[in-house]
Amino acid sequence: GAVVSQHPSRVICKSGTSVKIECRSLDFQATTMFWYRQFPKKSLMLMATSNEGSKATYEQGVEKDKFLINHASLTLSTLTVTSAHPEDSSFYICSARGPVNTGELFFGEGSRLTVL
Amino acid sequence: KNQVEQSPQSLIILEGKNCTLQCNYTVSPFSNLRWYKQDTGRGPVSLTIMTFSENTKSNGRYTATLDADTKQSSLHITASQLSDSASYICVVEGGTASKLTFGTGTRLQVTL
Repeated sequence: GAVVSQHPSRVICKSGTSVKIECRSLDFQATTMFWYRQFPKKSLMLMATSNEGSKATYEQGVEKDKFLINHASLTLSTLTVTSAHPEDSSFYICSARGPVNTGELFFGEGSRLTVL
Repeated sequence: KNQVEQSPQSLIILEGKNCTLQCNYTVSPFSNLRWYKQDTGRGPVSLTIMTFSENTKSNGRYTATLDADTKQSSLHITASQLSDSASYICVVEGGTASKLTFGTGTRLQVTL
């Protein structure tokens, strides 16, 4: 099946720094990717929809300036957590629709962010 | 409001036993229902996806059922293995914007 890769899988940073997480579709093109946040023992919460070549669509309550999303190519979307604070510590997951129009959604492995 | 509710919240079973997880939803209009398995610290992996016309779908030891009339789905795991220990998430696609609504998941632990 289609593969979605995230990098890094784990990152620890100091408060106030910015962290970039990459999401790549390895063997297919993805015009749309999705970014989620997941707290411990909770389900995934959609943060934003990343659209290739245009601005991302953010869910209500998600700060656009805090979570910068760039989808510059058909295989790469990035999420940058700007001026990270401890409350931004979380598990971030991306997903993309598969290459065949079955509606199948493929998820990345997730990125664990810890802000000290 | 579109909602997906799963039960039980958590479950512990012995290896080799069967179990059934439940999913009720209020998403309308309905497009499809998906079950995902999520290992701790990993991304979800698709198990099944069912449209309105499908009542049951199997993937190995996993069998999902769908009753679109009562808006209920179940995931049956047969002859459980230790590796089945994970969270199982029910996701319904639909609504006016064709969005995905995630359930809170069932945490399954398979023990010896």
